[in-house]
Amino acid sequence: EDKVVQSPLSLVVHEGDTVTLNCSYEVTNFRSLLWYKQEKKAPTFLFMLTSSGIEKKSGRLSSILDKKELFSILNITATQTGDSAIYLCAVETSGSRLTFGEGTQLTVNP
Amino acid sequence: SQTIHQWPATLVQPVGSPLSLECTVEGTSNPNLYWYRQAAGRGLQLLFYSVGIGQISSEVPQNLSASRPQDRQFILSSKKLLLSDSGFYLCAWSLAKSSSGNTIYFGEGSWLTVV
Repeated sequence: EDKVVQSPLSLVVHEGDTVTLNCSYEVTNFRSLLWYKQEKKAPTFLFMLTSSGIEKKSGRLSSILDKKELFSILNITATQTGDSAIYLCAVETSGSRLTFGEGTQLTVNP
Repeated sequence: SQTIHQWPATLVQPVGSPLSLECTVEGTSNPNLYWYRQAAGRGLQLLFYSVGIGQISSEVPQNLSASRPQDRQFILSSKKLLLSDSGFYLCAWSLAKSSSGNTIYFGEGSWLTVV
């Protein structure tokens, strides 16, 4: 059975802090790993990672994948209150099947 | 551009009543379609996915069912709701074929409360 584990489950920081969110996985027929941000309703896409060691970056957010150790991290620098959300990690396997982790609830206090 | 529509946005249903949530995708052909459920604002549980009309894969045993009567239409149903069916239901789509990796896009979600 495919498994995706995220840590920590929740995190409270102050504005300006840097956070690192973790995602480890055990799946069959890995194709890609995806990060999503979920605020009120639907998750919105952040990154898709398919190759090890290549950092994806978007503003203050960045992510990297390690296919040997089977994990990914999502970094957020200089956090803002608008970064408060649930961050979801998902792994795509063959057949376009996506397995999600439990998510990390990030709260950024002013 | 592609868009996904899901309705209704919120629903309060008594135990034992039927359910029908509908999802349509525009701007693409032969998408992969998915139904996910999210309980208590945590991770998403895959309920059903479909790679084509009439092709439904069920991930977990439950009293829910899914149908894909048209290429870009995906329906989640139940004949008799249980209290445990309450949650946030998300429809999603992805491209049918991708050389490596495939982003999945979500609808706005439907909040179901079974009372």
